[in-house]
Amino acid sequence: NAGVTQTPKFQVLKTGQSMTLQCAQDMNHNSMYWYRQDPGMGLRLIYYSASEGTTDKGEVPNGYNVSRLNKREFSLRLESAAPSQTSVYFCASSARTGGSSPLHFGNGTRLTVT
Amino acid sequence: AQKITQTQPGMFVQEKEAVTLDCTYDTSDQSYGLFWYKQPSSGEMIFLIYQGSYDEQNATEGRYSLNFQKARKSANLVISASQLGDSAMYFCAMREGLGQGGSEKLVFGKGTKLTVNP
Repeated sequence: NAGVTQTPKFQVLKTGQSMTLQCAQDMNHNSMYWYRQDPGMGLRLIYYSASEGTTDKGEVPNGYNVSRLNKREFSLRLESAAPSQTSVYFCASSARTGGSSPLHFGNGTRLTVT
Repeated sequence: AQKITQTQPGMFVQEKEAVTLDCTYDTSDQSYGLFWYKQPSSGEMIFLIYQGSYDEQNATEGRYSLNFQKARKSANLVISASQLGDSAMYFCAMREGLGQGGSEKLVFGKGTKLTVNP
């Protein structure tokens, strides 16, 4: 029972490099999300996808792009990494649009940009 | 203005005692939901409890209960009979505009670090 799977778990990039964080869920959930967590800042929403084929910006979208590849997969791309993007990134999914559905989180990706 | 405010950066409690973690929120919607999550030192985010704005009863899940005071816009988490394994960060979050056409977003507070002492 995998739930939400994120890869990689850890990554070190140099400034200007690009990478894609992968996320997949096996719970047949409609909505998927990318958050970043920085010390003292809680979790901040980067992008989300309410359903397959749609994506929307969250609080802190600058410097990121996303792709909802299919219902299961939602990837986050950093085109030109900056030290300010050093953070822990969480992917999450929820069953249905709005309502009381909680978010189910992956275990996070710890990204360091030097 | 912050949507979710958690005013206690850190809290300490003795094992077996109860503790209340504060959360206040700001919304003009009539229909919204409040969530609490736990994040142990291992880093995963664990869903604890949910309260809807129209729910008449305070939510309870085992040792967790939510002290929901709508007029005060507060949704405090109460943990009864604290255990050492309760030591973690706790996050309050809100989803506004429940129902059709409502927001998908869950907005989080900055968290409270709870330490349970033996």
